[in-house]
Amino acid sequence: KQEVTQIPAALSVPEGENLVLNCSFTDSAIYNLQWFRQDPGKGLTSLLLIQSSQREQTSGRLNASLDKSSGRSTLYIAASQPGDSATYLCAVGDNTDKLIFGTGTRLQVFP
Amino acid sequence: EPEVTQTPSHQVTQMGQEVILRCVPISNHLYFYWYRQILGQKVEFLVSFYNNEISEKSEIFDDQFSVERPDGSNFTLKIRSTKLEDSAMYFCASRYSSGGLTDTQYFGPGTRLTVL
Repeated sequence: KQEVTQIPAALSVPEGENLVLNCSFTDSAIYNLQWFRQDPGKGLTSLLLIQSSQREQTSGRLNASLDKSSGRSTLYIAASQPGDSATYLCAVGDNTDKLIFGTGTRLQVFP
Repeated sequence: EPEVTQTPSHQVTQMGQEVILRCVPISNHLYFYWYRQILGQKVEFLVSFYNNEISEKSEIFDDQFSVERPDGSNFTLKIRSTKLEDSAMYFCASRYSSGGLTDTQYFGPGTRLTVL
């Protein structure tokens, strides 16, 4: 059974820092991996999708990498801003067309 | 930009009552999903739906739950007899299909269900 873990659970950094969020999964037979942002009490905003055949994807200040063989993905956020404060979720897509989510990393960026 | 919408944003109901949560997926999407998130816990898959049929369902999705696409735009989740433990945020999602299982799932803003 696929298990998705995210570390750290929470992170507090000053504005301007570059930071890395980690996601690990136990079964490497995935179709894709998505990173989401969730603001308190709100829905999920898709940030990046990495196909299983890809190594990384970039969008603006965000870069996500995928190492299927080791069961890891990282989300790199460059030059963090207070507006980046949110919970970041990773989710792996399997062959049954469902997403399996991690517990999330709660990020706070202070001015 | 097209988005998934959900109504209502918050639903309060008494235990044992039936509730229907509504979703309007993105118009050219073909695959539809319901997930839920109990407060402080992970987002969990409930059910996927394609071509007017359930494709996959989790062990959570028991006989108390049903889904329907009553017309060309709406996608609903019905809980027949709500329990206290059904209190959660329910998310609808949809995706286009360019072939395979590799497309982004787009999520709605959620319906917060509170069962008293």
